[in-house]
Amino acid sequence: KAGVTQTPRYLIKTRGQQVTLSCSPISGHRSVSWYQQTPGQGLQFLFEYFSETQRNKGNFPGRFSGRQFSNSRSEMNVSTLELGDSALYLCASTSSGVSTDTQYFGPGTRLTVL
Amino acid sequence: EDQVTQSPEALRLQEGESSSLNCSYTVSGLRGLFWYRQDPGKGPEFLFTLYSAGEEKEKERLKATLTKKESFLHITAPKPEDSATYLCAVGAQKLVFGQGTRLTINP
Repeated sequence: KAGVTQTPRYLIKTRGQQVTLSCSPISGHRSVSWYQQTPGQGLQFLFEYFSETQRNKGNFPGRFSGRQFSNSRSEMNVSTLELGDSALYLCASTSSGVSTDTQYFGPGTRLTVL
Repeated sequence: EDQVTQSPEALRLQEGESSSLNCSYTVSGLRGLFWYRQDPGKGPEFLFTLYSAGEEKEKERLKATLTKKESFLHITAPKPEDSATYLCAVGAQKLVFGQGTRLTINP
């Protein structure tokens, strides 16, 4: 079974631009979560989607948004990019979103903001 | 608010030298404790899930244990390929991660 895939793998943007990242979960998985990983803050939760609805949200500004499609694929968008948004963005999927499910991570998208 | 603290931050061992990594947690109610391994430039790779105090799980040279306040990842006779950052997390749909332990195994 194929794992979680994320595209693109690398992105370079400049301040003020916006960016859209894509995540395809493991086949059959319906819950998708997004995380930001930086050297200083580690892995931090952004939001989680289940059946096209945002179910949980972390403590990030409104510039960070996401959505999920009917096929469970998910996108996250960051508007008005800041230098501090440079990070590895990770997507994870679980089968049913039950609280005890294990999250399986993709390879991440490395975003660099210049 | 859930909190996770991992120690040590970094650990350097010789091949074959066994040791343990620590994960201390504070939660209002434990729904699951997760261990992941992360190689540079890659996403975290799932290792174990523990749900209740006293539970233990093993995989090759790794063994994870859980008490009411902490979890240990024991590594027995490690090899250079075990070098990675090991992450501990608690939660459910929203995982709270520790800062990780960077493990280096020298041949």
